[in-house]
Amino acid sequence: KAGVTQTPRYLIKTRGQQVTLSCSPISGHRSVSWYQQTPGQGLQFLFEYFSETQRNKGNFPGRFSGRQFSNSRSEMNVSTLELGDSALYLCASSLYDRTGEQYFGPGTRLTVT
Amino acid sequence: LAKTTQPISMDSYEGQEVNITCSHNNIATNDYITWYQQFPSQGPRFIIQGYKTKVTNEVASLFIPADRKSSTLSLPRVSLSDTAVYYCLVGDNVGAGSYQLTFGKGTKLSVIP
Repeated sequence: KAGVTQTPRYLIKTRGQQVTLSCSPISGHRSVSWYQQTPGQGLQFLFEYFSETQRNKGNFPGRFSGRQFSNSRSEMNVSTLELGDSALYLCASSLYDRTGEQYFGPGTRLTVT
Repeated sequence: LAKTTQPISMDSYEGQEVNITCSHNNIATNDYITWYQQFPSQGPRFIIQGYKTKVTNEVASLFIPADRKSSTLSLPRVSLSDTAVYYCLVGDNVGAGSYQLTFGKGTKLSVIP
């Protein structure tokens, strides 16, 4: 079956703009989690959605938000972009929750200039 | 928040067994310990998961002592294709229903011919 897909794969934005990233989980997976990966901070958990509800949230400012649709597809939005938001954003899906095996997508590389 | 500690890097020759240890305090009672492998420009890939004692699958073994404050990923007879970053992942119940997942900083394993 198809893996986790993320779009777009690469994105360049300027400071102050906003961006929306999309994630399509593996068919049948109801949990979608988002992570930010940077060389300095490593992999950091952003939030998790399950059945259209945010179940948990990491320690990120309110500029980072997300949502999940009835078909389990998820989007995350970052408003008022800052240079420090440049990172690889990874989406992962799992059957029930992220404590189980997660399947990661290839990520979206966001560059803020 | 749970703090995880892994060696930053390790070198090994092909054919050797490699053991990577992750230290983690404040692991929640019901949490599992999970290890992932990540190659450059790819999302992490699940390797193995365990709760306590020993778990083995076709690619690795995971050893967890009784106190669960650490875990050791064992890769038998590594090859050049095992060169990657390895992450240990544990959950952390921070109270009031909140729940966060913490990735370690990762261990960069370099396999030498």
